Amino acid sequence: KNQVEQSPQSLIILEGKNCTLQCNYTVSPFSNLRWYKQDTGRGPVSLTIMTFSENTKSNGRYTATLDADTKQSSLHITASQLSDSASYICVVTPLGGGGYNKLIFGAGTRLAVHP
Amino acid sequence: DADVTQTPRNRITKTGKRIMLECSQTKGHDRMYWYRQDPGLGLRLIYYSFDVKDINKGEISDGYSVSRQAQAKFSLSLESAIPNQTALYFCATSEGRSQETQYFGPGTRLLVL
Repeated sequence: KNQVEQSPQSLIILEGKNCTLQCNYTVSPFSNLRWYKQDTGRGPVSLTIMTFSENTKSNGRYTATLDADTKQSSLHITASQLSDSASYICVVTPLGGGGYNKLIFGAGTRLAVHP
Repeated sequence: DADVTQTPRNRITKTGKRIMLECSQTKGHDRMYWYRQDPGLGLRLIYYSFDVKDINKGEISDGYSVSRQAQAKFSLSLESAIPNQTALYFCATSEGRSQETQYFGPGTRLLVL
């Protein structure tokens, strides 16, 4: 069964510190892996996208990595800001099988950045 | 994303009532989706539509129906609401290209008593 699991479930860090969020998936084969940011009361917004052949992708202070061999991805946030407080969702797009390949969403990691 | 709007933003209803959630988009995308989000779970796909004449069931369509009134409008109906349909509902759109990004609306928080 295609699954995406994220850890930790929640995380509290101090402003200015770095953190790393983890995503493990069993989806195979897959087309791409995305990280979304979801602010409280808002819909998810795409941060990064990596195809199965990419190892890393950056978007400002956000850097995503992908290890297709171990089926793991991480999202590293550098020099955190209060505005980084949100849920971060890992999403994998399966490949193949014909038709529309529905996205597989992780449950997300809720990050709180405190001053 | 202001390009995808959902109404209402919050709704409280009673068991057995019919309710409609509406979604409009100004992005000009052909593809539209309805998801629900529950605490501790990933978003799950309810229905999706690739154009006005194309409607498809997602993984959890039981108890829901949809209508694609126009390219820009996609509504979700709960024919007879039940408490376990209490959730956060999101509409999303996409262009329909490979590696496409889905753009989500702000969500509708629904409580069924």
